[in-house]
Amino acid sequence: GENVEQHPSTLSVQEGDSAVIKCTYSDSASNYFPWYKQELGKRPQLIIDIRSNVGEKKDQRIAVTLNKTAKHFSLHITETQPEDSAVYFCAASEGNEKLTFGTGTRLTIIP
Amino acid sequence: DARVTQTPRHKVTEMGQEVTMRCQPILGHNTVFWYRQTMMQGLELLAYFRNRAPLDDSGMPKDRFSAEMPDATLATLKIQPSEPRDSAVYFCASGLGTGGKLFFGSGTQLSVL
Repeated sequence: GENVEQHPSTLSVQEGDSAVIKCTYSDSASNYFPWYKQELGKRPQLIIDIRSNVGEKKDQRIAVTLNKTAKHFSLHITETQPEDSAVYFCAASEGNEKLTFGTGTRLTIIP
Repeated sequence: DARVTQTPRHKVTEMGQEVTMRCQPILGHNTVFWYRQTMMQGLELLAYFRNRAPLDDSGMPKDRFSAEMPDATLATLKIQPSEPRDSAVYFCASGLGTGGKLFFGSGTQLSVL
């Protein structure tokens, strides 16, 4: 089955700086890669996703890049703000099959 | 704003007791997933259904856990008997099979003493 590795497990950045979280996956058949944000005590919420037919997708301050050859994808957050502090999970799946999640990155924005 | 609804939000029980968690998926969604979240294991998939049929429950301890979808508006996860190591947050999520986007419920925080 699919195996997703996520790094780093914790990340602290100064407010206004950029944050990058990286994931690798094992199943070359995976073609859907979402990112979820989970604030303390809350549910995971989808913030951005990408499919294997594109290499990059942007939504305001967040972007995701995908390298299918190397089987890795990354989340980029620019101009970080205190409300970006949360745990971020990457995931991978083959079409409409089950999502396999990474182990999460705890992002802390330092004011 | 359609949401996945889970009950109860919190459950404290004693070891050996039966625990039932319920989930109402978003109307029209045909896939339902149960995940367990702990600090050590992250988000573990326990079971999932498509069109009410169980597709994969390989992540679930079969001797004590069971998952069902009696109808399209209700999914249940049952633990009998419960053990302290079952303490975790249990999330239900639903989605449309072709899209892949999952929407999570608020979770059930389970504490087994």
